[in-house]
Amino acid sequence: QITLKESGPTLVKPTQTLTLTCTFSGFSLNTSGVSVGWIRQPPGKALEWLALIYWDDDKRYSPSLKSRLTITKDTSKNQVVLTMTNMDPVDTATYYCAHRPRITIFGVAYNWFDPWGQGTLVTVSS
Amino acid sequence: DIQMTQSPSSLSASVGDRVTITCRASQSISTYLNWYQQKPGKAPKLLIYAASRLQSGVPSRFSGSGSGTDFTLTISSLQPEDFATYYCQQSYSSAFGQGTKLEIK
Repeated sequence: QITLKESGPTLVKPTQTLTLTCTFSGFSLNTSGVSVGWIRQPPGKALEWLALIYWDDDKRYSPSLKSRLTITKDTSKNQVVLTMTNMDPVDTATYYCAHRPRITIFGVAYNWFDPWGQGTLVTVSS
Repeated sequence: DIQMTQSPSSLSASVGDRVTITCRASQSISTYLNWYQQKPGKAPKLLIYAASRLQSGVPSRFSGSGSGTDFTLTISSLQPEDFATYYCQQSYSSAFGQGTKLEIK
């Protein structure tokens, strides 16, 4: 059974750096094709993809937030860490991490987010 | 960037109704399209992957179709537990649609 859980501060001040940790079990980030993603959701708004990290340490970022994001992994601890700099009140959101497998169907590789962690609400306020 | 546009943004329906939600990509994404269901205060749940493949454990009243730029999620007979918000997501760049809130009429 795959599980993920986000942890980090619930309140950060504007201009501070946010560091969130995703601790997972039931899979290995050393397995070819596997990745972990971060997604956020401001209160009452839509999901927004933030970042991905792959088993081979390749990384992808949302173009609109790329300059502020860093994603890293520690496979020995089964953790993925997301940092976001220069936090602003508009960054107030529930932050989720999710397992992203890669499955081949008729020779074509597909991926999706499943399962997700429970999410952690981060409020940005002075 | 590939943009995803869902319609409608909200929808009122009754138990037993057939409902269709549409997702359009700004450029062709083949069948790299997933659908999620989210209930208030909960994390999203995968329903459909690769445009039309039902995730294990998801009721067969849910179905997905489409390829290229136009996709649909259909619920054949709405059940009370289906009232939620639905999101499409393209797996090229992981972008999500803006969501469709399905409410009880």
